[in-house]
Formats: sequence, structure tokens, C-alpha cells
Amino acid sequence: DQQVKQNSPSLSVQEGRISILNCDYTNSMFDYFLWYKKYPAEGPTFLISISSIKDKNEDGRFTVFLNKSAKHLSLHIVPSQPGDSAVYFCAATRGAGNNRKLIWGLGTSLAVNP
Amino acid sequence: GAGVSQSPRYKVAKRGQDVALRCDPISGHVSLFWYQQALGQGPEFLTYFQNEAQLDKSGLPSDRFFAERPEGSVSTLKIQRTQQEDSAVYLCASSLDPLRDQQFFGPGTRLTVL
Repeated sequence: DQQVKQNSPSLSVQEGRISILNCDYTNSMFDYFLWYKKYPAEGPTFLISISSIKDKNEDGRFTVFLNKSAKHLSLHIVPSQPGDSAVYFCAATRGAGNNRKLIWGLGTSLAVNP
Repeated sequence: GAGVSQSPRYKVAKRGQDVALRCDPISGHVSLFWYQQALGQGPEFLTYFQNEAQLDKSGLPSDRFFAERPEGSVSTLKIQRTQQEDSAVYLCASSLDPLRDQQFFGPGTRLTVL
């Protein structure tokens, strides 16, 4: 039972265009969402996050949008660059206290073509 | 070092063999997490430490899996009597504040059980 879903295994975009990666979740208790980027043979690296009290967070070329009613979030990369080619994971967490384990999606492999 | 390090990077074990995977978190980081990532999947939570205390081990798949962090820094994940289904990348992550969600990941240990 996948609580965090990334339904597109792969995405290909042209350099300079917008990349939109989507993520859906089923658990309404999730209150914090994160995007991680992963290159082959490396661990995931944190990209951007958003709290459930917001609907948008922006950091440079990266913007995350959250639609709580639809239980949907998306990551926009503008403009896309070849170095952005990687696997992008959506993750979610919930609750207060010390254990903020991340629940992950399966990832979307992004290819940015020069 | 500046980041989370893990050793070995690659481990090949014969079925039934015991293995030990090491994680060196970022100095001063209170929280330490272990995740298991099977091929084509997102990371799955295994266990969590706050300092030396193992606060959550709900993700450990069987009693063959054991983790420790005796001095609140380095952690070891031990798998006894390895099985083929244990083949995966084992990721370690640390964070400074247990209430923050930005976890910093090591490169992982790829375990292959023959």
C-alpha cells in the first residue's frame, strides 16, 4: 500500500523548458513534504520542502506546490538544465515528536536533453 | 568529513553469511536513520536512533536485522544469516535536530547476496 505515489517513472524534457514532477499521497496526516534528488551511486540529496500550512515554496529554479485538498504536490524546475538529470523522490512525514521517518515514493527519472 | 559516510560501499555475501554495515554520521548530528532501497523502489525506513537510543525499529524486516549506535555517533547495521531478498542498497541518514526533516544521506552500501 503505497502512501506516497509518483506515477510517472520517467520524464524527458528539453533544456531550458519547464520540468514538472508530480506526487500524490493518501495519508491526510502527512504534514511535511520533501523532494530529494539522487544521482547514480550516490545517496539522495535534499532539494526543497514544504509544510502543509503552505501551498508554495520557492528556491531558485525549484518551486514546490502543494494542493492539500487533492493530496497532490508537484515540483517545478525552470529552466531545466542537463545537470538536473537524476531520479527525483517525493517523501512525506507526519506527527510531532522525535521520529520523523520519511515515507518515500518510487521516484521519477528526469532526463534533460541538451 | 563533511558528509555522511558509509562502508563498505559494496558488499557481496553468500547466503547465510553475516554482514555488518557501518555508518559515520555528520559530527554532532543527533538523529540517525537507516533505510533499505530495493532495485527500482524508494527507500524504506528500517530504524531510527536519537543519540544512542534506538527509538523506532518498526521497519526492520526480521529479527535477523540488528542495529546499534552505542556511543551516539557511529552506527552499525548487522544482518545475520543473509538471504537473497536482503539484496538492496542500505542508506544511512543523519540530521541535526530530531524535529527537523532535512536528513543528510550517505552514499549507501550495495549488498548483494548470492
